[in-house]
Amino acid sequence: DQQVKQNSPSLSVQEGRISILNCDYTNSMFDYFLWYKKYPAEGPTFLISISSIKDKNEDGRFTVFLNKSAKHLSLHIVPSQPGDSAVYFCAARGGSQGNLIFGKGTKLSVKP
Amino acid sequence: DAGITQSPRHKVTETGTPVTLRCHQTENHRYMYWYRQDPGHGLRLIHYSYGVKDTDKGEVSDGYSVSRSKTEDFLLTLESATSSQTSVYFCAISESRTANQPQHFGDGTRLSIL
Repeated sequence: DQQVKQNSPSLSVQEGRISILNCDYTNSMFDYFLWYKKYPAEGPTFLISISSIKDKNEDGRFTVFLNKSAKHLSLHIVPSQPGDSAVYFCAARGGSQGNLIFGKGTKLSVKP
Repeated sequence: DAGITQSPRHKVTETGTPVTLRCHQTENHRYMYWYRQDPGHGLRLIHYSYGVKDTDKGEVSDGYSVSRSKTEDFLLTLESATSSQTSVYFCAISESRTANQPQHFGDGTRLSIL
């Protein structure tokens, strides 16, 4: 039973355009959501997070939007660059121990 | 980059043999985690530690044990490796459990069990 779902295994975008990565969750008790980026043969790298009491958080080219009523969050990358090509994981924090639950990831390809 | 070193980086072994993976950190963070990453499953928590000698199970703990005798080292042991434990294993650390102190990951250990 997946609590955090990334329904798109892959996404291809042209350089300079917007990339939108989506994530859905089922547990309304999650209090924080995080995005990680992962290059091949490396560990995931923290990108950006958002508290459940916010609906938007921005950091440079990266913006995360949270829609609590729809249990949906999205990561916007504007403008997309070839170096953004990676696998992006959505994660949610919850439970009594505050552990992270990860989605399966979306592979983003940004084409020059 | 967070000071996290995983060893070995690659290992091939046979079914039934014991395997120990090591995670070493230089950040003096309290929390340490072991995850496995498999195609179609994302990252799944195996075990975690919230201090020296304090550990607890994660989502997929069966067949794994852990130990933390020092702040800087977190060991993951497969007592009798099975082919289903072929995976990429990641260690992560965090200073606290708050999300503004996110987990930072090592570069992983690729483990193949034949």
